[in-house]
Order: sequence, then C-alpha cells, then structure tokens
Amino acid sequence: EVQLQQSGPELVKPGASMKISCKASGYSFTGYTMNWVKQSHGKNLEWIGLINPYNGGTSYNQKFKGKATLTVDKSSSTAYMELLSLTSEDSAVYYCARCSYGTYYFDYWGQGTTLTVSS
Amino acid sequence: DIVMTQSPATLSVTPGDRVSLSCRASQSISDYLHWYQQKSHESPRLLIKYASQSISGIPSRFSGSGSGSDFTLSINSVEPEDVGVYYCQNGHSFPRTFGGGTKLEIK
Repeated sequence: EVQLQQSGPELVKPGASMKISCKASGYSFTGYTMNWVKQSHGKNLEWIGLINPYNGGTSYNQKFKGKATLTVDKSSSTAYMELLSLTSEDSAVYYCARCSYGTYYFDYWGQGTTLTVSS
Repeated sequence: DIVMTQSPATLSVTPGDRVSLSCRASQSISDYLHWYQQKSHESPRLLIKYASQSISGIPSRFSGSGSGSDFTLSINSVEPEDVGVYYCQNGHSFPRTFGGGTKLEIK
C-alpha cells in the first residue's frame, strides 16, 4: 500500500525557517517524482515544485524560488521541504504528492502538514 | 502561467441529480487536465486523469470530458458522500496550476 506520511503541525515565529518531511512507503521511492503543494485559506492549491529522488534534480514554481528548498534522503525514502524566512503569508497546509515520470497528475498525497507562522 | 478557471464556485444539488462542473484553461492544454476531489479535513484525491480517463477505485458515476481549453466533470446521480470541493489541474506545462475549485453541497 502506497503511503506518504508527513511530519506533524508546526508553530514557528516570523523570520524563522522550518523543514517538513514526507516519508514514502509501499513503492520504489526513486521511481516517482515528489511534488509539494500549498493550500491556503482552506481552498487555493499552489504547486511549489518537484524533486526527482533518483538524481536530486528539482523544478520550482518561480513564485517559490528562494522560499522553498526540496531535498531527499534516499536511504530513508524521505522527501523534505525547507521553508525559509517565514511570514504570516506562509501559514498554510502543505502536502507532498507523488507523480510518475512522464505523467502529469498526482496519484497519491500525504495527509498534509499545517504550518502556522505567528509570534 | 496557465490560469485555470472553474465554475460555478458553489453548486447545491439534490441526491440523484446529474451535475456538471466546468473548468477552463487560459490556453490550450490538449487533454492534460486532471480532476481531484477534496472532502473536508482530507487530502485531495485523484478522480479523473487526462480529461476523461477513469481511475481505479473511483465510482463510475464520475466522468470527464473535453479537450483544448474547455473541460467538464460530470457526476451521474449525486450521492451525499460526494460533498466536497472539486479541483481541476493543468498538467500541460510548468508551473502546474489548479483551478479555484467548485464546492458541491447537498440540499
């Protein structure tokens, strides 16, 4: 059974950085890209970027360049997203989502990680 | 970026109704259009891929159509469990973009 297990909710102060994890199981981790999606205000979905776990290659939405950094640890089948210089605008639910190479849809999603940025 | 526009924003229906949800892309995306359902407090779930291809485990009352820039998600005989928000997604080019969603309510 394919599962993407994300880390728990976070409360962080403005200006800080934080990292969300997404542990994959039930499939070959290097056989699929891992994507990250932001959901603000309980509705709007925004694609942040993707990482190819096989070679570490990344592609980012221009809007999130400098805000998000995607990495993976192949040994633990875990993807990470670090968010930098946090502001209240970064408060949202963040999802990891799997995508097959050469396809363009997200077939499995993590349960989401809620980030609250507040002093 | 390709802008995805969904309509209506909210749809209130009676169980058993047939409903159609619309998604329009700001430029042609061929059939690289995917639909998701998100129920309250859950993650999105893939419903339809490539505009009209079914997904294993998704009830057959869900179907998709369209190509180019105009797409439709149809639900044949809505059930109470179909309550949620439905999103379309551009899979044609980067950055991937989503529509603003259509909220389906049951009367």
